[in-house]
Amino acid sequence: GESVGLHLPTLSVQEGDNSIINCAYSNSASDYFIWYKQESGKGPQFIIDIRSNMDKRQGQRVTVLLNKTVKHLSLQIAATQPGDSAVYFCAENGAAGNKLTFGGGTRVLVKP
Amino acid sequence: ETGVTQTPRHLVMGMTNKKSLKCEQHLGHNAMYWYKQSAKKPLELMFVYSLEERVENNSVPSRFSPECPNSSHLFLHLHTLQPEDSALYLCASSQDRGGDYEQYFGPGTRLTVT
Repeated sequence: GESVGLHLPTLSVQEGDNSIINCAYSNSASDYFIWYKQESGKGPQFIIDIRSNMDKRQGQRVTVLLNKTVKHLSLQIAATQPGDSAVYFCAENGAAGNKLTFGGGTRVLVKP
Repeated sequence: ETGVTQTPRHLVMGMTNKKSLKCEQHLGHNAMYWYKQSAKKPLELMFVYSLEERVENNSVPSRFSPECPNSSHLFLHLHTLQPEDSALYLCASSQDRGGDYEQYFGPGTRLTVT
């Protein structure tokens, strides 16, 4: 029979443009959120995290925004580069300590 | 590199075989995790060990048996697997210190069950 893979939303972005990846989380009790990047053949790699007492945090070329009112998380990548092509996952801790719940992921394709 | 290594990187096994996956972390962390990543589902937490004690088992079938002999090593013993168990198995570690939950992942073992 035919196997059906997990359909990942895909964001195509021109090199040099900014990327915005969105994530809706489910647990209003979550107090910690994290973004991971997963390149082909590798495990997820930490990008940036944010706690619920903040609504914005910046890293190198990345910014995470947290809107607790609508339970929404976003990752902004400035001046997207070919090396940014990967699958990006958000995760929340659900106020359950060390147990992270991951979203389904978004594939980012950077066009030269 | 993240400081978490996994072996083997690729494994093909029959349904009657017994094999083990190994994970080692060199970060001095006190918690370790097994995740399953398949083409059909998001990343799924399988097992959590904190201070070498299992604290979470997310209704994983008994054909998967974890072992954590010390805080640096984690194993996943496999026996009588099914083809639907084919997936990428990821190990992660973290240092639980009252609010810091960042997990560091290994590269994974790509498992194919024939």
